[in-house]
Amino acid sequence: DVKVTQSSRYLVKRTGEKVFLECVQDMDHENMFWYRQDPGLGLRLIYFSYDVKMKEKGDIPEGYSVSREKKERFSLILESASTNQTSMYLCASSLWGQGVREKLFFGSGTQLSVL
Amino acid sequence: GNSVTQMEGPVTLSEEAFLTINCTYTATGYPSLFWYVQYPGEGLQLLLKATKADDKGSNKGFEATYRKETTSFHLEKGSVQVSDSAVYFCALIGSTQGGSEKLVFGKGMKLTVNP
Repeated sequence: DVKVTQSSRYLVKRTGEKVFLECVQDMDHENMFWYRQDPGLGLRLIYFSYDVKMKEKGDIPEGYSVSREKKERFSLILESASTNQTSMYLCASSLWGQGVREKLFFGSGTQLSVL
Repeated sequence: GNSVTQMEGPVTLSEEAFLTINCTYTATGYPSLFWYVQYPGEGLQLLLKATKADDKGSNKGFEATYRKETTSFHLEKGSVQVSDSAVYFCALIGSTQGGSEKLVFGKGMKLTVNP
């Protein structure tokens, strides 16, 4: 079975802390994505990556960075966490190419609370 | 740019009721259209898709028809079950070549089905 694993289901951090959210996929997918999900706003794309060491900004990259050192792992980094980054974070992956790239496989999410 | 507008809810129905979730889109060219579903405590998963005008996607009793003339992709089910309680997202991906375009999601609609 296809699997996208996010390291934590719930996380509580303090304002100003550096936060790492980890995501691993076991499907050898080229594409990986980080979204945040907020009530009334739906899913918003933060960053995505089409290959190892490659990253592109999504719609709301401010306050975040990412790292993709290996194909299976895509990390989201909050350099200095703020209360407005309290949210559900969803990682996803997909294969490269038309006809397949739109089928995203999602992890179960990490609910981050910044106090 | 590409965008998706969908009913936001929340919506509560009784078991066996008829369900319609409206979705309209704005896009250039010929996008592909999707419905994703998120069950409680889980990530999103692809429910159905349609890649060209007049295509009908179907899965688990749900259907949606790609209507280019009305730029719509409404989701329907004739008789909902308690297990259909979830958040439903309409999405599209543009028609550029090379697989570089990303999915654009609507804001999601929470459905609760009562016994």
